[in-house]
Amino acid sequence: DTGVSQDPRHKITKRGQNVTFRCDPISEHNRLYWYRQTLGQGPEFLTYFQNEAQLEKSRLLSDRFSAERPKGSFSTLEIQRTEQGDSAMYLCASSLAGTGANEQFFGPGTRLTVL
Amino acid sequence: AQSVTQLDSHVSVSEGTPVLLRCNYSSSYSPSLFWYVQHPNKGLQLLLKYTSAATLVKGINGFEAEFKKSETSFHLTKPSAHMSDAAEYFCVVSEAPNTGKLIFGQGTTLQVKP
Repeated sequence: DTGVSQDPRHKITKRGQNVTFRCDPISEHNRLYWYRQTLGQGPEFLTYFQNEAQLEKSRLLSDRFSAERPKGSFSTLEIQRTEQGDSAMYLCASSLAGTGANEQFFGPGTRLTVL
Repeated sequence: AQSVTQLDSHVSVSEGTPVLLRCNYSSSYSPSLFWYVQHPNKGLQLLLKYTSAATLVKGINGFEAEFKKSETSFHLTKPSAHMSDAAEYFCVVSEAPNTGKLIFGQGTTLQVKP
């Protein structure tokens, strides 16, 4: 399978714990995006990378959130001191910059539940 | 700033009848527009995209969308609904050509009745 993969698919944690999610993009894609989707809403942009550089962060991304893409391949999203409001689906997408409409391919998501 | 408004949160049709999901957009430049579909417990899948070429865009599974600049609309249609079309549909605009950051609408739930 050469699509975008995310791990884990589900994560249940207690408030105050740290969690880390991983995204593996399509191998030749140089852009990687993180989105968050809460129940009944459309996904909202969090941040994106071009190669290893993090080029933009949303105001939604508080100081408790950090994302990395150290070698320009996979990415991790860490949430520190989780809060119940962090419960959501976290989606990763990748694309190849400069190709027309910048079509983004999405992974299956990581569903986070904070108790 | 770019934005999209999906005019219906829920649409119900009978199998075999036409589907119309409405979307209006706001953009300060010539936008790229998309429709994505999300089936339960599955990832977002691209249905079709508009990139300033033909205004009538054909996508997968028989879906089409027409870009109307004068009406700032990008409605999604399908001549005949199938039970497997039941899902959540998102109209999406690309924020800017350089970033490709996507702005999603709130979504429209399509119900298909037998």
